[in-house]
Amino acid sequence: QKEVEQDPGPLSVPEGAIVSLNCTYSNSAFQYFMWYRQYSRKGPELLMYTYSSGNKEDGRFTAQVDKSSKYISLFIRDSQPSDSATYLCAMSAAGNNRKLIWGLGTSLAVNP
Amino acid sequence: NAGVTQTPKFRILKIGQSMTLQCTQDMNHNYMYWYRQDPGMGLKLIYYSVGAGITDKGEVPNGYNVSRSTTEDFPLRLELAAPSQTSVYFCASSYPNGGTPPAQYFGPGTRLTVL
Repeated sequence: QKEVEQDPGPLSVPEGAIVSLNCTYSNSAFQYFMWYRQYSRKGPELLMYTYSSGNKEDGRFTAQVDKSSKYISLFIRDSQPSDSATYLCAMSAAGNNRKLIWGLGTSLAVNP
Repeated sequence: NAGVTQTPKFRILKIGQSMTLQCTQDMNHNYMYWYRQDPGMGLKLIYYSVGAGITDKGEVPNGYNVSRSTTEDFPLRLELAAPSQTSVYFCASSYPNGGTPPAQYFGPGTRLTVL
């Protein structure tokens, strides 16, 4: 079993839809939970991070962490064609030389 | 700040050739990482460094070497290129420990083909 599981999709939604992207994990030592966005032929860029449990909101994006279920989510409200990208979750335990454990990424297409 | 820069952007190698992928960051980050990304396989850590003069293997180090003589630079060396090394290579950097989240900042990538 992989430490981090993420459905690769692809996910296709109409413009304006609410998008839900998810990852599950098995290592209870993970404390930092991150979401990266990667446009085609570009490097990943940090979108949001959450420490421990709870929610974090940034504009149209909301990150949720449920440590009891070992489940994290990224919600995108009022999705736009410019949100079309691959979304990768990444997690980290304390110490560990700041190495991140990555999901495979979910490919999202928002259709106008 | 330019952030993390990588050169070259693209390269085609013949089997058995060698090359160095360059990575430079201007954010004074101690930690640096090399990943490869293959379709459907996610990001795989090749090597990482926690500071100048200190490097360690990641998940897939075979066929690669690194050095870290300065804080800014972290080159990746491919010796005797093989078709299995065809991939997109990303360099990333991160702040040191001390209460900051372990976020990594990525370069634009080098797309390598070995024929």
